Amino acid sequence: DGGITQSPKYLFRKEGQNVTLSCEQNLNHDAMYWYRQDPGQGLRLIYYSQIVNDFQKGDIAEGYSVSREKKESFPLTVTSAQKNPTAFYLCASSILGEVYGYTFGSGTRLTVV
Amino acid sequence: RKEVEQDPGPFNVPEGATVAFNCTYSNSASQSFFWYRQDCRKEPKLLMSVYSSGNEDGRFTAQLNRASQYISLLIRDSKLSDSATYLCVVNQNYGGSQGNLIFGKGTKLSVKP
Repeated sequence: DGGITQSPKYLFRKEGQNVTLSCEQNLNHDAMYWYRQDPGQGLRLIYYSQIVNDFQKGDIAEGYSVSREKKESFPLTVTSAQKNPTAFYLCASSILGEVYGYTFGSGTRLTVV
Repeated sequence: RKEVEQDPGPFNVPEGATVAFNCTYSNSASQSFFWYRQDCRKEPKLLMSVYSSGNEDGRFTAQLNRASQYISLLIRDSKLSDSATYLCVVNQNYGGSQGNLIFGKGTKLSVKP
């Protein structure tokens, strides 16, 4: 079955550490996205990529970095520069044009300890 | 004005009730519209696209009013399993270039026995 897989499901980070969240899709989608969701809040776009080796900042890119070396993969690194990283992180993918909406992974819940 | 606005609720309704959610969007050039459903601590899942002529999927009916920049979702004969947060989603579209999807903060629905 085609889908989008995020790992790990839960992640704990010590202050000052960088951590990388994995996102893999086998839907042959060109576009991939990272969102952050805080309790009771909407989804906020961190980064997106419409093609391999290219990505764009979203609304809240500071403290995050991404890469898109393969069509299937779009990992997100939460750096120590991100002051409040505790949140629910969602990866999504779509065909270009968003005509059919986005498909989401099941998310990674990151907690700073 | 926020790009996508929804009443946060919660809407508390008895089983069997009909409930309607409304959403307004600010970008008159938007061309793609969706309703997503998000269960607690889960990823959003596409419920239905919204077409200009209105569309129905079982107990769910979506309507679009482009002149008023207004989208609605009607749920008939509510079930306990309909309890979730419903997200209104609109694509950005500036100057003819396809933009990303913008998610509303969601309306929480709780269906009681």
